[in-house]
Amino acid sequence: KNEVEQSPQNLTAQEGEFITINCSYSVGISALHWLQQHPGGGIVSLFMLSSGKKKHGRLIATINIQEKHSSLHITASHPRDSAVYICAVWTNTGNQFYFGTGTSLTVIP
Amino acid sequence: DAGVTQSPTHLIKTRGQQVTLRCSPISGHKSVSWYQQVLGQGPQFIFQYYEKEERGRGNFPDRFSARQFPNYSSELNVNALLLGDSALYLCASSLASRLWNTEAFFGQGTRLTVV
Repeated sequence: KNEVEQSPQNLTAQEGEFITINCSYSVGISALHWLQQHPGGGIVSLFMLSSGKKKHGRLIATINIQEKHSSLHITASHPRDSAVYICAVWTNTGNQFYFGTGTSLTVIP
Repeated sequence: DAGVTQSPTHLIKTRGQQVTLRCSPISGHKSVSWYQQVLGQGPQFIFQYYEKEERGRGNFPDRFSARQFPNYSSELNVNALLLGDSALYLCASSLASRLWNTEAFFGQGTRLTVV
């Protein structure tokens, strides 16, 4: 069983749609990261959360520590949002960093 | 300002050989971490170094080792290569030692193919 589970694995949306990607984890964490990976491998850090909610432009990330769950929302989706979105957690014991397998998002014009 | 740079970008090695991958962090960043991403999967954490000391280690065999130099650049070494070591190896740098509350900046990765 993976320490970090993401859903859905693949997601296709029409331009302008509201998108939600979910992340559940089974370990105690110090913080959760949302990352964006474009074809070719480059990874960009989107958010780092330990509680509550953060917003950056059209992206919103929330975390519920009690339920061990986080969501990444994209409002007014655009084809340039097409990428793989990865959830990662840093454990609060043992200095480990676990990643989900990613959600592949395709936004169609 | 240069971002995180990794070299080489692509590499082909034969099973049983040894390989060294290099990473130069963003200027001023003292923390470097290494990740392995097998095709179709999420990255897996290998090591974190801060101020030349190992600060975190993932579940990888002893064939994997790393070090950080006084200029904060880092090398990842893999001995006795296996076919399963074929992957994209990513390096990330950050300002502080605490990976959990510090933004990480990733390089483009080194794609290693073991034949």
